[in-house]
Amino acid sequence: QQQVKQSPQSLIVQKGGISIINCAYENTAFDYFPWYQQFPGKGPALLIAIRPDVSEKKEGRFTISFNKSAKQFSLHIMDSQPGDSATYFCAASHSYKYIFGTGTRLKVLA
Amino acid sequence: GAVVSQHPSWVICKSGTSVKIECRSLDFQATTMFWYRQFPKQSLMLMATSNEGSKATYEQGVEKDKFLINHASLTLSTLTVTSAHPEDSSFYICSAWDRPSSGANVLTFGAGSRLTVL
Repeated sequence: QQQVKQSPQSLIVQKGGISIINCAYENTAFDYFPWYQQFPGKGPALLIAIRPDVSEKKEGRFTISFNKSAKQFSLHIMDSQPGDSATYFCAASHSYKYIFGTGTRLKVLA
Repeated sequence: GAVVSQHPSWVICKSGTSVKIECRSLDFQATTMFWYRQFPKQSLMLMATSNEGSKATYEQGVEKDKFLINHASLTLSTLTVTSAHPEDSSFYICSAWDRPSSGANVLTFGAGSRLTVL
């Protein structure tokens, strides 16, 4: 019940395309859903986050869509750029504890 | 934004030696810090929760005598890998809670420390 399932494991997108990464959770106690971006050899950096009382949050080219009834949330990267090539982790949190997804390696082709 | 500094960023040591990794919150106080371990191309696995002024809480399967955690101040937590062996080679990342004015709890990560045990 503590798992966060993330897909796909890897993703290749053409420059200018839309990258979509999906996550699903089971524990309805989770109340905070962040996405982290990690470049090789670096620590994860917070990209965008959402709480379950909203269905969508947009920050620049990054959008989180949240479906509370389905217990799913997704990250959309619009106009994907080669600089977006990184590993993306979704997470779900309740209290202080974070549960991370397995990660998606995104490669944006120039 | 909040900054978590980790040092060293990479370290190579001989088998049997101990290695200390420092994690500092630079512009905020962190009563709680977290230590993660990440294997290549894998997710982050929480090792332990470091609490200022008290003992760390270890996750199941993590050897507390192997991975010593000390949280001596509100801005510093250390992870010591004792009697390191090649299987301890990994990427270790610390993180800390920052509570900005928005009220949301934001987990900020350090840049990570790459440990290679020969």
